[in-house]
Amino acid sequence: DSGVTQTPKHLITATGQRVTLRCSPRSGDLSVYWYQQSLDQGLQFLIQYYNGEERAKGNILERFSAQQFPDLHSELNLSSLELGDSALYFCASSVGTSNTEAFFGQGTRLTVV
Amino acid sequence: AQKITQTQPGMFVQEKEAVTLDCTYDTSDQSYGLFWYKQPSSGEMIFLIYQGSYDEQNATEGRYSLNFQKARKSANLVISASQLGDSAMYFCAMREGNYNTDKLIFGTGTRLQVFP
Repeated sequence: DSGVTQTPKHLITATGQRVTLRCSPRSGDLSVYWYQQSLDQGLQFLIQYYNGEERAKGNILERFSAQQFPDLHSELNLSSLELGDSALYFCASSVGTSNTEAFFGQGTRLTVV
Repeated sequence: AQKITQTQPGMFVQEKEAVTLDCTYDTSDQSYGLFWYKQPSSGEMIFLIYQGSYDEQNATEGRYSLNFQKARKSANLVISASQLGDSAMYFCAMREGNYNTDKLIFGTGTRLQVFP
């Protein structure tokens, strides 16, 4: 158990809908990262938050947004969902912003039908 | 731009044998970190081992060791005494040299199958 908790584990929704994925980092970790794993794109970095502030952004679609709350948990919001958004979404956390290992949650498997 | 290449889509190894999973990387940064993660069929990403670019010795963690050859830009994972439970996808990843973030760039992965 990595100590990173993601909910829900599975999510099935229809095209055009909006969903929220939740992540609780390991105790003491200030950084939260979101990654998307799909068959065609592999594992891709989406966005990072550090202590409530956005720190780095990857190839995140405009339809996607994230935030980190004062208690350090994070949410990834996906809207106007398309079939191609079906993927495994991982949250990872680390203590700081450099030279630290990131530990991953179990992922949320999103299926858009 | 930084890039990670894993050229072995799949590997087979017999139980109790050693296996090497290849990883090459491309970066112009002097400071970087290299990671290996294991992803079993259940889907979670399990951290295995880390090597910093300035580390002079190869990293080891139990049955896992990282064969770091800086001049060749390779960071191969060696699993000794393979077990059936080692069957999984293995990803090599690199942390970019920007000190404001630990975001990782992943390779495409190698599927390892251990047979009795």
